[in-house]
Amino acid sequence: NAGVMQNPRHLVRRRGQEARLRCSPMKGHSHVYWYRQLPEEGLKFMVYLQKENIIDESGMPKERFSAEFPKEGPSILRIQQVVRGDSAAYFCASSPSAGGNGYTFGSGTRLTVV
Amino acid sequence: AQTVTQSQPEMSVQEAETVTLSCTYDTSENNYYLFWYKQPPSRQMILVIRQEAYKQQNATENRFSVNFQKAAKSFSLKISDSQLGDTAMYFCASSSSNTGKLIFGQGTTLQVKP
Repeated sequence: NAGVMQNPRHLVRRRGQEARLRCSPMKGHSHVYWYRQLPEEGLKFMVYLQKENIIDESGMPKERFSAEFPKEGPSILRIQQVVRGDSAAYFCASSPSAGGNGYTFGSGTRLTVV
Repeated sequence: AQTVTQSQPEMSVQEAETVTLSCTYDTSENNYYLFWYKQPPSRQMILVIRQEAYKQQNATENRFSVNFQKAAKSFSLKISDSQLGDTAMYFCASSSSNTGKLIFGQGTTLQVKP
């Protein structure tokens, strides 16, 4: 079992470009969570998805950010028209069910906007 | 709304000594979980210990143990026989048993000195 796979590990984008962050959950996990960690801060919840459904997006900025978890393939966090303030580490976690059991984090994607 | 507070931004301890990291939380949930995560410079989020709120017995994992005071909403982490490899940022977190969304504290940077 390869664990939660996030790619790319590092992503550099110029202001105004789009960033796509990918997360492949652990085998058998159908619940995916995205978090953002700004420098010197804790992780902040962004969105919770199950296959093809967004369950809770209360932490997502209203504009430019979107997430999906299709029936086939990885979950995608998409940031359109990136700005310098989007520079952060973005973590994905997966679990086999809702709740606190079996929660596993990926290694994160560090996004740098120049 | 759930909140998690870590009031110690930085701590240090001598190798082989014991250190306690503090955490308080607030939640309106009846069923929830509490966690301590370690984040070394590699940025990987590593689960240290997990406590189910309905269990009165404090969780232990080798050198790591918690003091869970449910009425006081306190969840401190004790690290015994500190090792140089324990140097990292430590995050306290709570989650709802319904959704699994994690709410993190601000983190405590722990330095273990030789």
